[in-house]
Amino acid sequence: EDQVTQSPEALRLQEGESSSLNCSYTVSGLRGLFWYRQDPGKGPEFLFTLYSAGEEKEKERLKATLTKKESFLHITAPKPEDSATYLCAVQEYSGYALNFGKGTSLLVTP
Amino acid sequence: KAGVTQTPRYLIKTRGQQVTLSCSPISGHRSVSWYQQTPGQGLQFLFEYFSETQRNKGNFPGRFSGRQFSNSRSEMNVSTLELGDSALYLCASSFGLPLRDTQYFGPGTRLTVL
Repeated sequence: EDQVTQSPEALRLQEGESSSLNCSYTVSGLRGLFWYRQDPGKGPEFLFTLYSAGEEKEKERLKATLTKKESFLHITAPKPEDSATYLCAVQEYSGYALNFGKGTSLLVTP
Repeated sequence: KAGVTQTPRYLIKTRGQQVTLSCSPISGHRSVSWYQQTPGQGLQFLFEYFSETQRNKGNFPGRFSGRQFSNSRSEMNVSTLELGDSALYLCASSFGLPLRDTQYFGPGTRLTVL
């Protein structure tokens, strides 16, 4: 059973059309939840770390939020350069490994 | 500040051979983690080293091994390569402490097994 599930698998938006990506998780003790962006052929680029329910972080057009069961990555007025795969990962208190979801592939068209 | 570097960037091997990949972490980081990324399975954790000791291990066969040196640089080795080992191998570094464990990834090594 997957511990981290991301939805949707793929999302196509028009430039300026805001939306949200979802990451639901089931872990016994959450040390942290991480969001990364990955461009084709490159390593994941760190975006945010969230540690506790209710926490929110923002960076340019992106805002990440966390509840006890899921996290959302809100994209406001996206631009074509926001096109990428967005990965969510959780880290449990029992270790330091990141458990990744399969990602959401975002395409923003002009 | 220099990021995580991985060498080589691309590698082509044949079945049965072995391969060694290298990772240099961000200066000051003592933890190095390795991940395998494939289209079907996504990113999967291989192992993590902290201060030259393997601290965590994922669910991979013993053909996959690694080590960390005193300067925090790390290598991973895959012996007796199989076609299914073709993947992007990613290294990530962090401070490795409970509240300072944001992992920063390198560009990866693309391994193709023929």
